[in-house]
Formats: sequence, structure tokens, C-alpha cells
Amino acid sequence: AQKVTQAQTEISVVEKEDVTLDCVYETRDTTYYLFWYKQPPSGELVFLIRRNSFDEQNEISGRYSWNFQKSTSSFNFTITASQVVDSAVYFCALSEADSWGKLQFGAGTQVVVTP
Amino acid sequence: EPEVTQTPSHQVTQMGQEVILRCVPISNHLYFYWYRQILGQKVEFLVSFYNNEISEKSEIFDDQFSVERPDGSNFTLKIRSTKLEDSAMYFCASNVGSSYNEQFFGPGTRLTVL
Repeated sequence: AQKVTQAQTEISVVEKEDVTLDCVYETRDTTYYLFWYKQPPSGELVFLIRRNSFDEQNEISGRYSWNFQKSTSSFNFTITASQVVDSAVYFCALSEADSWGKLQFGAGTQVVVTP
Repeated sequence: EPEVTQTPSHQVTQMGQEVILRCVPISNHLYFYWYRQILGQKVEFLVSFYNNEISEKSEIFDDQFSVERPDGSNFTLKIRSTKLEDSAMYFCASNVGSSYNEQFFGPGTRLTVL
């Protein structure tokens, strides 16, 4: 069963537009962790943020912000004032507390930012 | 800044051959992982490894796969008899502590099975 759903396959924006990436997860555990990773065209996986299930406080880091809502099982990611360097595939991932660190990734959302 | 390294960056092999993919995790990390990503698809968990034994493995990680930490620094993934469908990017990752901590990924090894 799909544990992490990223319904948006690709989002295209023009530079300076905001873009929001959706992530919906499914788990029966009360303790779990959510992550976002960025995969630029060069292929590496770059860690962006981690959230635990007990911390619903939203977070902002520069142009990036995250909205975690347990009531809707969502952990959405917004890039404000997008830049061409933001073009990448973004993956949302879930780790359940008793899973020995296994990351379960969503299918990813390709973000294309054009000048 | 410490990083996870992987060798080789690209491996080409014939179907049925054995391959060993190598990884050097970050030195103070205790948990090690392998993932794979078939071209254009999502990243899939293969196996986690802690204290010199497998902690968890996925359905993909069948008898053809094995992992080993032969010394204090290397972490290897062996595929005994490669199949065409094993062609993928293989990522090694490590972290300090299991589920809570972020995993740091290596640059990947692209495996091509002909």
C-alpha cells in the first residue's frame, strides 16, 4: 500500500512564482518522522527537512516553508519566489518509529522553473 | 563536511554476473542503508543494517542480494546474479540513529545490466 502520496507529477512555474508541493502520508503509528529531499538534475539526494509526529509547528527556512497538519495527514512544502536553481525532483518520505530507519518515499514531484 | 562516498559511479555488467557496489558511510554513523531508483521512478528501500546485521529488508531484497561491512569503513551491496531489471541507480545512506535522524545519501552507483 502506498504510504506516501505525491499527487503532483510535475509543476512548471516561471521564476519568482511560488510553488507548493503536496504530500499526504498514511501510517498507523503514533510516532513517525517526515522528510523532504531534493534531487537536482545531477542525481544526488539532498536532505531538506525533518519533522516528527509530535511537532506540528510549521517551519520556514529562507525561501522554503513547510506545513505539517496531522488532521489531514499532510506535510506540504512551499518554495517562495522560485529560482531556476530550484528545478529538481522533490521527494517526501516517511519513517515509522519501529521501522529501523526505513524511508518510504513518495513518487516525487518534478519542479521546473523557467526564467 | 563529511559525506557518504560510493564507488564505482557507473557499473556495466552482463546479465548473470555478480556485482559488488561499495560505499563508505560517514564515520560516526551507526546505521547504514541501501536504496535503489529505477530511472524516472521513486526511491525504493532495500535494506537497513545496524550492529553488523540486517535490521530490516524489503521484498526486493531477495536471496540474490547481500550486504556486508567487511571492515570499519566500507559497506557493500552484492548482487549475485544480475538481471536486466536490476538496472537502476543504487544509493547508499547512513545516519547516526535510525528513524529519527536524517539520512545522508551518497552520490549513487548507476548499474546497467546488459
